[in-house]
Amino acid sequence: KQEVTQIPAALSVPEGENLVLNCSFTDSAIYNLQWFRQDPGKGLTSLLLIQSSQREQTSGRLNASLDKSSGRSTLYIAASQPGDSATYLCAVKANDYKLSFGAGTTVTVRA
Amino acid sequence: DAGVIQSPRHEVTEMGQEVTLRCKPISGHNSLFWYRQTMMRGLELLIYFNNNVPIDDSGMPEDRFSAKMPNASFSTLKIQPSEPRDSAVYFCASSGGPAGEQFFGPGTRLTVL
Repeated sequence: KQEVTQIPAALSVPEGENLVLNCSFTDSAIYNLQWFRQDPGKGLTSLLLIQSSQREQTSGRLNASLDKSSGRSTLYIAASQPGDSATYLCAVKANDYKLSFGAGTTVTVRA
Repeated sequence: DAGVIQSPRHEVTEMGQEVTLRCKPISGHNSLFWYRQTMMRGLELLIYFNNNVPIDDSGMPEDRFSAKMPNASFSTLKIQPSEPRDSAVYFCASSGGPAGEQFFGPGTRLTVL
C-alpha cells in the first residue's frame, strides 16, 4: 500500500520568504504526482501535475520537483505572500487512477 | 467551464434519514471519483467511475452507501440510512482520463445529528 507523508504538518513564515514543502512516498512505481491547495472550507485546487517521466514542473512562482528513486517530491513557492496561506496536499497516483494523499502541510504567511 | 459542480454545499440531517449528494463533472471528462474527507482519516477514495461504469467501489464503507452515474454529466452518492459517523466533507472529482489530472468540486459538508 502506498504511504504518503508530508513534513512538516504546519509551517509559518514571514511574507517574502521562499516556501519549501516536502512529500515522501513509499512505492516508487508511480504514474504521476499531483500537488493541491486547499483553503479552509473549500475544495482542492490542482496546482501542478508531474508525470513519472518528468523531474520538475513549473507554474509561475511554483516549482515542483520529483525524485522517484528516492520517493520524494518538493514544492517550492517563491516570494511567499499572505494569499499563499492554505493547506498544501501531495497526492501520488500509484496505478492508473487511484490517488494516495498525504495529510498536508498547513502554511501561514505572516504579513 | 464551470468546473465540477456539487450540490448541496451543506446538508444537515438526522440519523436514519436518506441523504443524496449530487455531482456534475467537467464536460468531456470520462472519469469520476467520489472522496470523503475527515480529520481522522484524511481523504479517502470511495468509488471510481470510468465512462459511467463503476470500476472500483472498494472504498465504499458499507452497504448503506451507494453511487450511480446514469450518464456522463451526472452522478449521485446516496447514504441510507445515515449515521453520525458519516459526518464528513464529500468531494466529487473528474479527469479527462483515469490517469489524468483530477479536478475537484467544492464539496458537500454533511452533518448527521
